[in-house]
Amino acid sequence: TQLLEQSPQFLSIQEGENLTVYCNSSSVFSSLQWYRQEPGEGPVLLVTVVTGGEVKKLKRLTFQFGDARKDSSLHITAAQPGDTGLYLCAGARDYKLSFGAGTTVTVRA
Amino acid sequence: DAGITQSPRYKITETGRQVTLMCHQTWSHSYMFWYRQDLGHGLRLIYYSAAADITDKGEVPDGYVVSRSKTENFPLTLESATRSQTSVYFCASSESALTEAFFGQGTRLTVV
Repeated sequence: TQLLEQSPQFLSIQEGENLTVYCNSSSVFSSLQWYRQEPGEGPVLLVTVVTGGEVKKLKRLTFQFGDARKDSSLHITAAQPGDTGLYLCAGARDYKLSFGAGTTVTVRA
Repeated sequence: DAGITQSPRYKITETGRQVTLMCHQTWSHSYMFWYRQDLGHGLRLIYYSAAADITDKGEVPDGYVVSRSKTENFPLTLESATRSQTSVYFCASSESALTEAFFGQGTRLTVV
């Protein structure tokens, strides 16, 4: 059982639609990071959230850290084909960085 | 070149053989991590290291050994490879466990 549960596992939407990916845990984290991974490459950081209730925006991407620092969400507005990829959340706790299973997002043109 | 590099990129080995995956970073980051990535499981932490000569187990350490005699190197050894260890292995480094982790390009290991 993984420390972080991501949902949904797969998401396929049409260009221009919105989507939300969830990352949940029963554990409290010092910080929560979101990564994006392309095929054949390592994950690359999108954002780090540290404070409970924190909201960060990165162009069309909005990241939220839950008040209790146990969960997070990633919302993409008006998705584009370039947003296609594997999205991973990662929680920092006890000097370790643990990842969720990931959400594969496909945006159809 | 600056960054984090893994070698080899691809490896095929036989069951029961010992194999070592190499990881080298040029930033002098304190923290280094080894993950394996399998379909449906995302990235699972095998071992991590907070500094040279300090290592600790992650979620799935069985069958693996690590060492860190120098800050920049963090090799991962499979003592006696099994088919269940067929996976893509990623090494990462960071200044701390709270900051951005930088990943290598991965090693695709197949155990036959």
